[in-house]
Amino acid sequence: EVQLVESGGGLVKPGESLRLSCAASGFSRLGFTDFYMTWVRQAPGKGLEWVGHIKNIRDGGTTEYAAPVKGRFTISRDESKDTLYLQMTSLKSEDTAVYYCTTEYFYYFNHWGQGALVTVSS
Amino acid sequence: QSVLTQPPSVSGAPGQRVTISCTGSSSNIGAIYHVHWYQQVPGTAPKLLIFDDSNRPSGVPDRFSGSKSGTSASLAITGLQAEDEADYYCQSYDRSLTASVFGTGTKVTVL
Repeated sequence: EVQLVESGGGLVKPGESLRLSCAASGFSRLGFTDFYMTWVRQAPGKGLEWVGHIKNIRDGGTTEYAAPVKGRFTISRDESKDTLYLQMTSLKSEDTAVYYCTTEYFYYFNHWGQGALVTVSS
Repeated sequence: QSVLTQPPSVSGAPGQRVTISCTGSSSNIGAIYHVHWYQQVPGTAPKLLIFDDSNRPSGVPDRFSGSKSGTSASLAITGLQAEDEADYYCQSYDRSLTASVFGTGTKVTVL
């Protein structure tokens, strides 16, 4: 059973930076290197919002981001550690959310982590 | 904001059938992209419920079914059970935004 475990969440002030990690394990037929990996966030009491994704290495390992975070957030992956990262800079109060790490398979998200809470407040 | 529109809430008695609509446009659902559905029980992570319009992952009861037509999609729950009380989200890809997009979400209440 695939397991995704996010870490690194916390309370930061506006303008500060934070890095989330997502450790993946339990792969069988398809491994971490086969999947696109995605970050999805959910503000308190709100719906789901796609943040961005990173393609697998075979497809170039390139990234795409949602407009609200483009230029401020960077997604990366470490194949040697089966770990996904989300580097967040210039954080704003509207970035306050639970951030979920997911595997992406042909445009849908089939495995989800438990989420990491990021609170941006002065 | 979300480009896929869902009703805020639907409700039904145990055993009844409820449906949730998901309305998009020609740049997402109406294009070549499939619709997927997720169930989120409050306080937990979302879970994939339906993929590629109408397919259920292993372990999802056949009470859940999905369909798509034109620029809209639907999720149906037949034989509603208390454990189905949750938030449901549709999701697709938007070629104009070059981004995955989620629906606004629907809260299902079992009366």
